[in-house]
Parts: sequence; structure tokens; C-alpha cells
Amino acid sequence: NAGVTQTPKFQVLKTGQSMTLQCAQDMNHEYMSWYRQDPGMGLRLIHYSVGAGITDQGEVPNGYNVSRSTTEDFPLRLLSAAPSQTSVYFCASSYSPSERYEQFFGPGTRLTVL
Amino acid sequence: DAKTTQPPSMDCAEGRAANLPCNHSTISGNEYVYWYRQIHSQGPQYIIHGLKNNETNEMASLIITEDRKSSTLILPHATLRDTAVYYCIVAAGGFKTIFGAGTRLFVKA
Repeated sequence: NAGVTQTPKFQVLKTGQSMTLQCAQDMNHEYMSWYRQDPGMGLRLIHYSVGAGITDQGEVPNGYNVSRSTTEDFPLRLLSAAPSQTSVYFCASSYSPSERYEQFFGPGTRLTVL
Repeated sequence: DAKTTQPPSMDCAEGRAANLPCNHSTISGNEYVYWYRQIHSQGPQYIIHGLKNNETNEMASLIITEDRKSSTLILPHATLRDTAVYYCIVAAGGFKTIFGAGTRLFVKA
């Protein structure tokens, strides 16, 4: 299994540009989520999905959109990039959103918005 | 969700046991205690979790007090590769997982 994969690894955007961060998992996990991590901080939940076609907001959803058309993929879209969105983005998946199951994290996408 | 309190940093000598404490005094009955770690800037890595019994796996041991208000992660023989930020989380479900600032563990030769 490749686990959780994320592309790209690095990205530089200009203010106002849009882009999609890709996330895929090959473990047939039901639950997927996106986090952002600012320097020296813990992770903050952006959006999550408990299955194909079902998404919901986390702590910091503004400026981001998600969709879940398949079990495997959970892309994160930045609608109009702002410098405040400069961060490292992690995607995670879990067998189930139940508290019994741990999350598996991808390697991250490092985004800089100029 | 319950909040956790961890020391910001700790040191440990290589080969010694590293004992990382966590307070979670407002934990509720259905919340599990999870530990993850983040090495440098990599994605967080799951270590161990438990509800009320002590747990052990190939990476670590988790000791949860009887009242469940605190726990300790034990790395039995720390190596330099265990230098990382360790997050203690109490969670009632994946979408309610909240990561705090964690404990930065420095393992020294």
C-alpha cells in the first residue's frame, strides 16, 4: 500500500490565484480530512469527509472547498489564495471516524502565497 | 472535546526511557487517549491509543491513571530518531481530533 499520498510537495502561488491540493489513499478508508499547520503550531482541521459525497467543515474552513466523489480521493481547493494561507497542509485518513481508529497522515504540501 | 496539557519540551538521554506526561482532566467517558508524533516537518505518525487500560505496542507503552485524568507515554529505550514533537490528544472521533502544541522531545547522545 502507498498509504496516503499528497501532491504537489511544494507550491508557490500569487495572491488571488486558485489551486487544488491532491490527496489520495489506497486503504479503502471511510474517513478523510485536511489539516493545516502554521510554523510552531499544532494542526488545525480544515474540512473532513466521512464517506463519498459527504463533507463537513472543521475549525478553519474559510477560503477552502472540498469534495469527495470517490472513496480514494479528497482534493482541497483554494479559491483565491491569500498570504494567510501560507502553511503546510496535511491530508489524513482513517478506517472510520470512530474514536477507535487511528489516523494515517500524508507527507504534506508546503504552500507559500506571495 | 477535552483539552490536554503537555510540557513544551523535555530532554532524554539516548538509551534511557522517555516518559512524556499529559493531563486531560476534563476527559469524558467515550474519549480515547491518542499519541502521535511528528518528526521534523513530516506528517504526524500514530503511536498508540487507549481508553482506560494500559496499552503496549512495538513503539511505546501508554499508562492511563485510574481516574483517566492523566496519562504517560513511555518510549522504553529512546534513540536519536525519537527526537520529535509528541502530541497527546483525547478524541471522541476522527473529525473532532484537536492537536495542541505538543511536547518537543530532544534525545541526546
